[in-house]
Amino acid sequence: NAGVTQTPKFQVLKTGQSMTLQCAQDMNHEYMSWYRQDPGMGLRLIHYSVGAGITDQGEVPNGYNVSRSTTEDFPLRLLSAAPSQTSVYFCASSHARDAGELFFGEGSRLTVL
Amino acid sequence: GESVGLHLPTLSVQEGDNSIINCAYSNSASDYFIWYKQESGKGPQFIIDIRSNMDKRQGQRVTVLLNKTVKHLSLQIAATQPGDSAVYFCAETLPNSGGSNYKLTFGKGTLLTVNP
Repeated sequence: NAGVTQTPKFQVLKTGQSMTLQCAQDMNHEYMSWYRQDPGMGLRLIHYSVGAGITDQGEVPNGYNVSRSTTEDFPLRLLSAAPSQTSVYFCASSHARDAGELFFGEGSRLTVL
Repeated sequence: GESVGLHLPTLSVQEGDNSIINCAYSNSASDYFIWYKQESGKGPQFIIDIRSNMDKRQGQRVTVLLNKTVKHLSLQIAATQPGDSAVYFCAETLPNSGGSNYKLTFGKGTLLTVNP
């Protein structure tokens, strides 16, 4: 059981470049979300989805785009990377009925130069 | 103790002792609270949760206490082991309303170090 899989694990971008962080889960979870983790800031919610075709903004959505075309996948897109987006990104999923019992991926460390 | 919004970086205990990690939350409307453990280089892992209609909940070696009067949450770890060394986060969420129960607010975390 793979759980939540994130790729890539590490990425270095130049300011203005675009990229997509991939997230896939094999647990048939309705709910998926993206968080960023910065030193001294804890985890902050970027975007979330309660099911295929449904997405919504979290606490810090600016500069990020998401879509949910399937139950399994929830990619996070950076359209024009900025140094302020240097962070560790975590994807998480859960059953809708147990929304707090999130299963997290291993994280993607992104550096924007 | 840790606060959602303030920084309490470390707690150091001896192996075998009990550990208590504290968390203060700010929103009196929050009705669901969760503790997560994050080991170095890994994603957070669910430990235990509690709803606001409870004061205490026990798991395997862990107990969560909720004091709604002072908006305080604590995680107690019995007989702390070296494998318990990690960052511990509390998180809260509002009642289920338009999907808001999915919007968890995390604290900044407490680093627990267990000395052999």
